[in-house]
Amino acid sequence: EVQLVQSGGGPVKPGGSLRLSCSASGFTFYNYGMNWVRQAPGKGLEWVSFISSSSTYKYYADSVRGRFTISRDNAKHSIFLQMNSLRAEDTAVYYCARGDDNSFPDTFDYWGQGTLVTVSS
Amino acid sequence: QSVLTQPPSVSAAPGQRITICCSGSSSNVGSNYVSWYRQVPGTAPKLLIYENDRRPSGIPDRFSGSKSGTSATLGITGLQTGDEADYYCGTWDSTLSAFVFGTGTKVTVL
Repeated sequence: EVQLVQSGGGPVKPGGSLRLSCSASGFTFYNYGMNWVRQAPGKGLEWVSFISSSSTYKYYADSVRGRFTISRDNAKHSIFLQMNSLRAEDTAVYYCARGDDNSFPDTFDYWGQGTLVTVSS
Repeated sequence: QSVLTQPPSVSAAPGQRITICCSGSSSNVGSNYVSWYRQVPGTAPKLLIYENDRRPSGIPDRFSGSKSGTSATLGITGLQTGDEADYYCGTWDSTLSAFVFGTGTKVTVL
């Protein structure tokens, strides 16, 4: 059974940093690209970032480029999102989602449970 | 300000058929695969359709997808109360080098 278990959310002050983690199981992790998607309170889905299976390709939404960094550790079946210079508008539930073995995000077939990040003074 | 436009809401009686349109452009819907997701508020999204018209295992054939030009459509037949949710389309935008989601459609079963 495919499982994506997230950790690392919580409250943070504007300008602060936070690191999200997503631990995967139930599939051959190193064969799949992975994504982060977020949803601000009462808003729609917003794709945040993608990392390909071997970390060769990384993409970011304009809203987070230069502040967020996606990474993965295939040996530990995990992906991470390092979030720096956080702003109030980064407040959202963050989901990790499995992609496919492409060089860009195409389909998100399994999702983590979500973790809330609240940026507030 | 998503580049993919969906109707804000669609409603119909149980048993009816509905369609949800996702309108984009040549750089996204027109040249890349479209996927569809259902989200019950407070829960994680779920994949319904991928590669325009393919259903993952476990998704009933009441759900269908199609694409023509720069628009994609999700169809749901035999509408059930359990289909009440928010529905999103999504695709890669080759110009933006970003994945884009639609604005989302709230489905209400009357």
